[in-house]
Amino acid sequence: KQEVTQIPAALSVPEGENLVLNCSFTDSAIYNLQWFRQDPGKGLTSLLLIQSSQREQTSGRLNASLDKSSGRSTLYIAASQPGDSATYLCAGTTTSGTYKYIFGTGTRLKVLA
Amino acid sequence: GAVVSQHPSRVICKSGTSVKIECRSLDFQATTMFWYRQFPKQSLMLMATSNEGSKATYEQGVEKDKFLINHASLTLSTLTVTSAHPEDSSFYICSARDDGPYQETQYFGPGTRLLVL
Repeated sequence: KQEVTQIPAALSVPEGENLVLNCSFTDSAIYNLQWFRQDPGKGLTSLLLIQSSQREQTSGRLNASLDKSSGRSTLYIAASQPGDSATYLCAGTTTSGTYKYIFGTGTRLKVLA
Repeated sequence: GAVVSQHPSRVICKSGTSVKIECRSLDFQATTMFWYRQFPKQSLMLMATSNEGSKATYEQGVEKDKFLINHASLTLSTLTVTSAHPEDSSFYICSARDDGPYQETQYFGPGTRLLVL
């Protein structure tokens, strides 16, 4: 059974720091991988999608990479801001073609002003 | 970008009643939609895969007779929580997979918060 672990579970940093959030799949057979942010009591906001043929995606201060050989993904946040405070979730689909997302345990980020 | 809506956004009901939640893809067709549940301070757990024109596929441990799914059109899936109880209180989120050229892309709805008293 695929399980997804995110490390760290919680993180509190001063504004301006560069951050790395980690996501690890027990089964490295990942087809697509997506990073989301979730604000308290809200739905999901898609940040970056790494499709099956890709290994990395960038959007503004965010960069996500996927190492399919190890089943690990990292989300890099440059020059963090208080507005980045949220829970970050990674989710992956397997190669079975069902396109079902398995979600990670989440990282709660707090960026202090 | 593509949009998925959910209705209602929030619902409070009495124990024993049934609640219907709608998930709509607004500008694309979706043969396949997914229903997730999120308990407080936990991650999302997949409940079932909704397939247009056929029966839904439920994940292990999810009662199909309690969580009825109907996917009657290419843009609408409904989840009905039957005889809801307080332990069913949760945040329900749907996603829809684009049938078009970008089939690898799923779009998530804003979620429905259910509180059963």
